[in-house]
Amino acid sequence: DVKVTQSSRYLVKRTGEKVFLECVQDMDHENMFWYRQDPGLGLRLIYFSYDVKMKEKGDIPEGYSVSREKKERFSLILESASTNQTSMYLCASYPNTGELFFGEGSRLTVL
Amino acid sequence: QKEVEQDPGPLSVPEGAIVSLNCTYSNSAFQYFMWYRQYSRKGPELLMYTYSSGNKEDGRFTAQVDKSSKYISLFIRDSQPSDSATYLCAMSLDNYGQNFVFGPGTRLSVLP
Repeated sequence: DVKVTQSSRYLVKRTGEKVFLECVQDMDHENMFWYRQDPGLGLRLIYFSYDVKMKEKGDIPEGYSVSREKKERFSLILESASTNQTSMYLCASYPNTGELFFGEGSRLTVL
Repeated sequence: QKEVEQDPGPLSVPEGAIVSLNCTYSNSAFQYFMWYRQYSRKGPELLMYTYSSGNKEDGRFTAQVDKSSKYISLFIRDSQPSDSATYLCAMSLDNYGQNFVFGPGTRLSVLP
């Protein structure tokens, strides 16, 4: 079974703190994605990567950056967390078959 | 108008009922249609995947696409308490993951 692991399930941070969310997949997929999920808004794509060191902006990249130094690992970085970044963050990997494989999510609260 | 609309619910039904979940969309170029199920405090998982119009059946689940009406449905027969989850529709004009557009999800509760 494909496994996508998000290391932090629940985080509480202060405004202005730097936040790292890490995601690891074990199926050698080239494509990886970061979404945020908010009630009533569905999943919105923040950034995606189709190869090591490659990254592309999604629909809502402002306030976020990403890093993909190894194929299996895709990190989301909030340089200076703000309260409007309180959300559920979902990482996914994708083998181009039509099925996104999601992690269990990281629920971030920014105070 | 949002690109993909979905009634958020919550929808509560008794065990054994037939459930109908629906999405409407505005982009007539969408060709790929998916339904994801998301249990509480978990990530979404793919339930059904269809290309273009028509029906697809998998056990108790049937996905239906009506491109002329820009409307997709997921039917659950003989619903079970284990079907209680949020159901997200998703669609795309191609098979590139970055182009998938998700609905906001419908929360379903199946009562024993």
